[in-house]
Order: sequence, then structure tokens, then C-alpha cells
Amino acid sequence: EPEVTQTPSHQVTQMGQEVILRCVPISNHLYFYWYRQILGQKVEFLVSFYNNEISEKSEIFDDQFSVERPDGSNFTLKIRSTKLEDSAMYFCASRKEGNTEAFFGQGTRLTVV
Amino acid sequence: KQEVTQIPAALSVPEGENLVLNCSFTDSAIYNLQWFRQDPGKGLTSLLLIQSSQREQTSGRLNASLDKSSGRSTLYIAASQPGDSATYLCAVTPSPSGNTGKLIFGQGTTLQVKP
Repeated sequence: EPEVTQTPSHQVTQMGQEVILRCVPISNHLYFYWYRQILGQKVEFLVSFYNNEISEKSEIFDDQFSVERPDGSNFTLKIRSTKLEDSAMYFCASRKEGNTEAFFGQGTRLTVV
Repeated sequence: KQEVTQIPAALSVPEGENLVLNCSFTDSAIYNLQWFRQDPGKGLTSLLLIQSSQREQTSGRLNASLDKSSGRSTLYIAASQPGDSATYLCAVTPSPSGNTGKLIFGQGTTLQVKP
């Protein structure tokens, strides 16, 4: 069964460093997303991406964040100048269409020290 | 602003019991509602998707219902098993979202099924 794949599963970085989280969405899906879940809190929407551009972003997704689809398979989230409060589980998700079932990856646990 | 709430926050039941998890949302303008399962430290596994035009969906021992007008959904788990222990999340796709398909999540119900 097709699945969303995320790497790495766990990343530890020093405050102020840049990190890139990687995702391979399901191959015939057209809508891609990043969400985050701070420990003990709700899963929060960060950004949606369609047709090679951002279609919607939350107020969390400020200039510190960027997304890219560098080739036909990968979808990345870059976090510049990481802060302690960026520590969270980051989930990538994809959908075939905007209102179909969403599939999530296993997440990348980001720890900023 | 759409808000999703799940009650109860935690639930502990003996094995074999039937149970109901509740989800409510403040704005009935949704495309669909999706239930997920999350094991500790893991990703989200999709369980059921109900489109706004549907009333319920079934998969095995799981049955999800949707009452869009009242802003409620329930997830019914029949004959619960210890392997059902996990956190269950519901999420809605708001319809006035330009069809970007973002999800708004509840905080989840953590279920423990005791052998």
C-alpha cells in the first residue's frame, strides 16, 4: 500500500541552526501539507502546497519557514535559525484531491537544544 | 474560526466493551471529517473519512457518524481489544478554505483498553 515517507525520524539540532525535513508524498497525490504537534498539544496546520506553490499557510508559518518541491517526488520543509520552541513532531501529509482522504507520514521529531 | 473539540480527553475500559468517542466542531461548513489513530510517538493512521453529504462510514469494528448541522461526529468501536489502545483524533476540512484541504484537529481522546 502506498505511504508517505519522512526522513529523518529524529533530528537534534542546536539553536540557531537550519534544518531540512524531507518527505516523499504518495506518487499520484497532488496536495501536500506540513503539520506540527508540540508535545501534549493539538496537531496544527502549517502549510499546504499545490501546483508548485503555497496555497495556504497558517500564522505559524512565518519567514522562518519555507517549503519546496525540488523534484517530482520530494517535498521539504526548511526551518531557518531554529528556536527552542520549534521542538515538535513534524508531519507531512498528502491528498489526491483537496477533499479526499489525507495520508500522513510517521513524522520527524525535531529537538532543538 | 473553526474549533474542534473531543470528549472525553481520556477513557479506560475493560476489554470487550463497546464505546463511543465524541467530536464536535463549531462551523458546519465542512467538506469532510476524518478520524485518525495515533500510537505514542508515532504518525497518524487514517481510520475513516466521512464526506459532508454522508451520514456514516464503517470499517470493520469501527463506525463513524456525522451530523453536520449540529456539528457532531461519533466514532463507535465495537468489542474493544487491548490493541485498540491509542489516541483517536478527529479532524475537519473546512469548506471555505479554497479547496486547499487543510485539516483542523481536535485534541484527541486517549483510549486504554484493559485485558
